[in-house]
Amino acid sequence: AQKVTQAQTEISVVEKEDVTLDCVYETRDTTYYLFWYKQPPSGELVFLIRRNSFDEQNEISGRYSWNFQKSTSSFNFTITASQVVDSAVYFCALTAYNQGGKLIFGQGTELSVKP
Amino acid sequence: GAGVSQTPSNKVTEKGKYVELRCDPISGHTALYWYRQSLGQGPEFLIYFQGTGAADDSGLPNDRFFAVRPEGSVSTLKIQRTERGDSAVYLCASSLPTAAGGANVLTFGAGSRLTVL
Repeated sequence: AQKVTQAQTEISVVEKEDVTLDCVYETRDTTYYLFWYKQPPSGELVFLIRRNSFDEQNEISGRYSWNFQKSTSSFNFTITASQVVDSAVYFCALTAYNQGGKLIFGQGTELSVKP
Repeated sequence: GAGVSQTPSNKVTEKGKYVELRCDPISGHTALYWYRQSLGQGPEFLIYFQGTGAADDSGLPNDRFFAVRPEGSVSTLKIQRTERGDSAVYLCASSLPTAAGGANVLTFGAGSRLTVL
């Protein structure tokens, strides 16, 4: 069975702090994909990143970076120098090979960035 | 359209009533998904269409839930004999066709919030 765990329900930081959102996953598939989505108060989920299981390179996009470690089944997300606009619920998700858009989501981490 | 459009944005109904929720995907997106998101939870997969046919409906909770996509574009999620436990945000997403072995990047709509009294 596949499962995604985001143990941090809520995180509160002050603007300009760095913050890491944890994601741990379980799967028996050897080929799979991991995602992060952002859900601002408007409700629409916004795609941030997709990573396949064969690519363990860490990725950086502006203030965002992702650390994928197969050895610990983790795909953590770091926001550097957080801003108030980063306040949202962040979801980590998993899908297996050939499952297309059938995603298994974690419960989400609500990030609050205070000025 | 530019994005995934869902109507209504809010629906309040009474227990036992019938409800229809509509999704208009991005033009050219042949894949369409319905998810359900309960308060404080992540979205849960309900059903996936590739074109007009339901390719995977394994997430539908019971036979009160049904979805159609007759012309391969707009989709309607139908819920019969609604129950209070059906209260949730119903999210629709669309994507380009799935490549073999691939995983789609989904574009989500803002959702339809259903409240069953």
